Amino acid sequence: GAVVSQHPSRVICKSGTSVKIECRSLDFQATTMFWYRQFPKQSLMLMATSNEGSKATYEQGVEKDKFLINHASLTLSTLTVTSAHPEDSSFYICSAGLAGSTDTQYFGPGTRLTVL
Amino acid sequence: KQEVTQIPAALSVPEGENLVLNCSFTDSAIYNLQWFRQDPGKGLTSLLLIQSSQREQTSGRLNASLDKSSGRSTLYIAASQPGDSATYLCAVRGFSGGYNKLIFGAGTRLAVHP
Repeated sequence: GAVVSQHPSRVICKSGTSVKIECRSLDFQATTMFWYRQFPKQSLMLMATSNEGSKATYEQGVEKDKFLINHASLTLSTLTVTSAHPEDSSFYICSAGLAGSTDTQYFGPGTRLTVL
Repeated sequence: KQEVTQIPAALSVPEGENLVLNCSFTDSAIYNLQWFRQDPGKGLTSLLLIQSSQREQTSGRLNASLDKSSGRSTLYIAASQPGDSATYLCAVRGFSGGYNKLIFGAGTRLAVHP
């Protein structure tokens, strides 16, 4: 099956710093990428959807100025958590799919962010 | 707004038991429903995908059913093993806000003990 990677797998940072998480589709072109966050023992909550070359569409309640998403190529999307605070600590998972596809998405392994 | 509910939230069983995990959703206008497995601190592994026109899918010891009209799906695990211990997530795919999206339930945390 298709492979999606994320980097880094874990990151610990100080409050106030910005953190960038990369999501790559390794063997297919992902015209659409999704970013989720997951709190402990809770489900995945969709944060935003982005198509390559377009601005991301954010879900209600997600601050677009805080969670910057760039989808500049068909194989790479980045999520930048700006001025991170302890409440941003979470597990962030990206997912990649083909535009208009109603079939499966391919999920990355996730990034554990801890903000001190 | 689509909401997905999974029952039970947690389950602990001895090895060998047959299990049923339940998933319900509020909006029956879905493209498909998917069951995932998530190990602690890891990403998602897709187990079964059921299209809206289908009633069930099977893979090995796993069988998933879908009753779209009533907004329900079940995941049946036969002869459970300790290696089945994980969180099982149900997700439905529907169209919202210009995109088709996966909406997840909170999951069922399964522990199978020897």
